Amino acid sequence: AQSVAQPEDQVNVAEGNPLTVKCTYSVSGNPYLFWYVQYPNRGLQFLLKYITGDNLVKGSYGFEAEFNKSQTSFHLKKPSALVSDSALYFCAVRDRGITGGGNKLTFGTGTQLKVEL
Amino acid sequence: GAVVSQHPSRVICKSGTSVKIECRSLDFQATTMFWYRQFPKQSLMLMATSNEGSKATYEQGVEKDKFLINHASLTLSTLTVTSAHPEDSSFYICSARKPGYQETQYFGPGTRLLVL
Repeated sequence: AQSVAQPEDQVNVAEGNPLTVKCTYSVSGNPYLFWYVQYPNRGLQFLLKYITGDNLVKGSYGFEAEFNKSQTSFHLKKPSALVSDSALYFCAVRDRGITGGGNKLTFGTGTQLKVEL
Repeated sequence: GAVVSQHPSRVICKSGTSVKIECRSLDFQATTMFWYRQFPKQSLMLMATSNEGSKATYEQGVEKDKFLINHASLTLSTLTVTSAHPEDSSFYICSARKPGYQETQYFGPGTRLLVL
């Protein structure tokens, strides 16, 4: 079974400071990893993904994430946070070795990011 | 781009009625679509996987006779909540997997259902 852990329910950061939203995962094989962002009463917006290759992945709105296989982590980062980044962030994983009906995304519980002036 | 739309965005209905929610992939064909349910301040719960031209695959604990899914074309999947009750009130989100694009899932904006 695959799983995702987002250990922080909420992260607070001052605007202009760097931010990190943590994610660790568990899969039996090799992972596809994703980050999504959700604004209030909206669906999820795709931010970035790791499929293969360079461990540092750059995505939308200045976000990036680093795949660390030994630590089974995929933390989301941004060098300088904006108030408009305040939202709910979800990490998700899929086992690339599973096909067909079992090939599903598993989401973490979400981390609420609050960026303050 | 990869745009997924949902309609309606909000719906209020009386207990016992049925509600249909549409999910469309606007600029790509999706052989696989997914339906999720999200409770306040919680993560997404996968309800079912919808495959074009075949029966949906439901997750454990989801009543397939209550949540009817039809994926009649490569761009449209529908979720019908039959005989809705107040406990069915929730935020329903669909997503579509874009084939050949490293299989990223793109999500619709969600539908807020309130059953009175």
